[in-house]
Amino acid sequence: DTGVSQDPRHKITKRGQNVTFRCDPISEHNRLYWYRQTLGQGPEFLTYFQNEAQLEKSRLLSNRFSAERPKGSFSTLEIQRTEQGDSAMYLCASSLRGTSGGDEQFFGPGTRLTVL
Amino acid sequence: TQLLEQSPQFLSIQEGENLTVYCNSSSVFSSLQWYRQEPGEGPVLLVTVVTGGEVKKLKRLTFQFGDARKDSSLHITAAQTGDTGLYLCAGARTNAGKSTFGDGTTLTVKP
Repeated sequence: DTGVSQDPRHKITKRGQNVTFRCDPISEHNRLYWYRQTLGQGPEFLTYFQNEAQLEKSRLLSNRFSAERPKGSFSTLEIQRTEQGDSAMYLCASSLRGTSGGDEQFFGPGTRLTVL
Repeated sequence: TQLLEQSPQFLSIQEGENLTVYCNSSSVFSSLQWYRQEPGEGPVLLVTVVTGGEVKKLKRLTFQFGDARKDSSLHITAAQTGDTGLYLCAGARTNAGKSTFGDGTTLTVKP
């Protein structure tokens, strides 16, 4: 399978705990994105990387959230001191940024986080 | 502020019927993507449109990008139960990394 993979698929945690999610993009893709999606809403942008550089981070993103892509391949998203409002589906996507228009993003299956 | 408005929010039809869903914005996008998402899964890319007035066909699905590149529509002919899902549009601007998503149209096709 050469698509985007995410691990774990589901995570249940208690309020106040830290959680970390992993995303493995399509291997030749240089861009990697993190989104959050709650029921009845479209994906909400969190942050994105081009290679190992984090180029943009949503202003809505709490400082409890941090993401890394140390070698320009896989990425991790960490949430510290989780709150019930963090419960959502966390989606990772990757794309190959070229010179033409149209940044087609390919999504992983997501990690469903439930904070009790 | 929701930059992309999708309508209708919910649509329930019988198998064999035709339908159109819309994605509208006051902003200009350099490209627009349509995705379909099933419960518990990530969105799956259907098509990308980049040129104003562009029409793309994917079997029974027809996608159109508005002349001003502010809106788009998705038309499904002879809907099938397998078309059931959440249809999302996403717009990207030139030199912007992120895409902005609408909240989707939930389509249910009944047998």
